[in-house]
Amino acid sequence: DTEVTQTPKHLVMGMTNKKSLKCEQHMGHRAMYWYKQKAKKPPELMFVYSYEKLSINESVPSRFSPECPNSSLLNLHLHALQPEDSALYLCASSQGLAGAPGSEQFFGPGTRLTVL
Amino acid sequence: GQSLEQPSEVTAVEGAIVQINCTYQTSGFYGLSWYQQHDGGAPTFLSYNALDGLEETGRFSSFLSRSDSYGYLLLQELQMKDSASYFCAVPGSGNTGKLIFGQGTTLQVKP
Repeated sequence: DTEVTQTPKHLVMGMTNKKSLKCEQHMGHRAMYWYKQKAKKPPELMFVYSYEKLSINESVPSRFSPECPNSSLLNLHLHALQPEDSALYLCASSQGLAGAPGSEQFFGPGTRLTVL
Repeated sequence: GQSLEQPSEVTAVEGAIVQINCTYQTSGFYGLSWYQQHDGGAPTFLSYNALDGLEETGRFSSFLSRSDSYGYLLLQELQMKDSASYFCAVPGSGNTGKLIFGQGTTLQVKP
């Protein structure tokens, strides 16, 4: 299985809602990532988990809360989002960390989030 | 800081060859990667160069010159399905897992 899956594919939420994005991989990868991507822009790193521990938080607002329940799962909890948070949220995984052998990142299809 | 520069758009015809350049500025260097992203799709890994020279994978090749802080992606025998955005990327300094992407090059292949 060389796939990263993400649910849901699309999500529309109000600014007072609480929702969660889910990501799963069964490739035995030890690093998992959350990215945010706006139209016509590159993916922008939000969080990195290495061996289920948060290793990077790119100064992301606290209304985004990541969670890594086990080595295959990565969640992103959303609360009190703003309309400017509307974007494609991508999950990725890799065997090694960027710069290490086997560090190519496998991306999931993303969740397209709209905040009203 | 770290930054990458690549052209914003490239247009070519089917069957042609196109080269997408990437220059980078990094405080340490751990390799240059290329990713492809179709509209509405996820980025897909294409290639990784850690050492100088050309790496070939089918119709796609990637080149790196560390002394020039420069690399390129070469696409041969272009097909319509190659129309996509192409990103070069470098790891951030230290073994942190951070990948820094260029702004992306939109390739349009015309019949």
